[in-house]
Amino acid sequence: AQKVTQAQTEISVVEKEDVTLDCVYETRDTTYYLFWYKQPPSGELVFLIRRNSFDEQNEISGRYSWNFQKSTSSFNFTITASQVVDSAVYFCALKNAGGTSYGKLTFGQGTILTVHP
Amino acid sequence: AAGVIQSPRHLIKEKRETATLKCYPIPRHDTVYWYQQGPGQDPQFLISFYEKMQSDKGSIPDRFSAQQFSDYHSELNMSSLELGDSALYFCASSPTRNEQFFGPGTRLTVL
Repeated sequence: AQKVTQAQTEISVVEKEDVTLDCVYETRDTTYYLFWYKQPPSGELVFLIRRNSFDEQNEISGRYSWNFQKSTSSFNFTITASQVVDSAVYFCALKNAGGTSYGKLTFGQGTILTVHP
Repeated sequence: AAGVIQSPRHLIKEKRETATLKCYPIPRHDTVYWYQQGPGQDPQFLISFYEKMQSDKGSIPDRFSAQQFSDYHSELNMSSLELGDSALYFCASSPTRNEQFFGPGTRLTVL
């Protein structure tokens, strides 16, 4: 069985603050993928990043950065100098790479991020 | 670039009615997934198809059925609708079973 836990239900920050969204996962598979998606108020799911289990390099994309630590089964997401447009629900998700799962995603409960001006 | 198309975008039905949601995957994507997202919930996997065959099944009620057609579009049929079926229904397609590209979703409201 696989599970994704986002312990922070809601986070509220003021613009320009840095914010980190936590994600902890459980899986028995040795090969898997981790994802972050953003869901703005309009409802669509916007893909942010995919990381496979063999690649523990941290990644930075503009104001976004991700820290993958296999030893603690965590895949945390940091937004630097947050902006009002970052306000959304953020989901962490897990997908096993092998077996017969055919790639279904298991999502965490989501973290509601509100950035105040 | 082409994206996943879902229709309709919004649907309002009465209890016990039937609804059909459609999904048109990105061209040359061979796998389609359906997810259901209730209010304030995370998306839950319903069912998937690989090369027009059902490949995996999640927590999909027996009242729901789905299929993928020869042109790779997929339909989710929902019968005897209940109030609890009100949700955002996402379709996603994938070229390799790794990346999943989500459509904009269909918002179903059951009155």
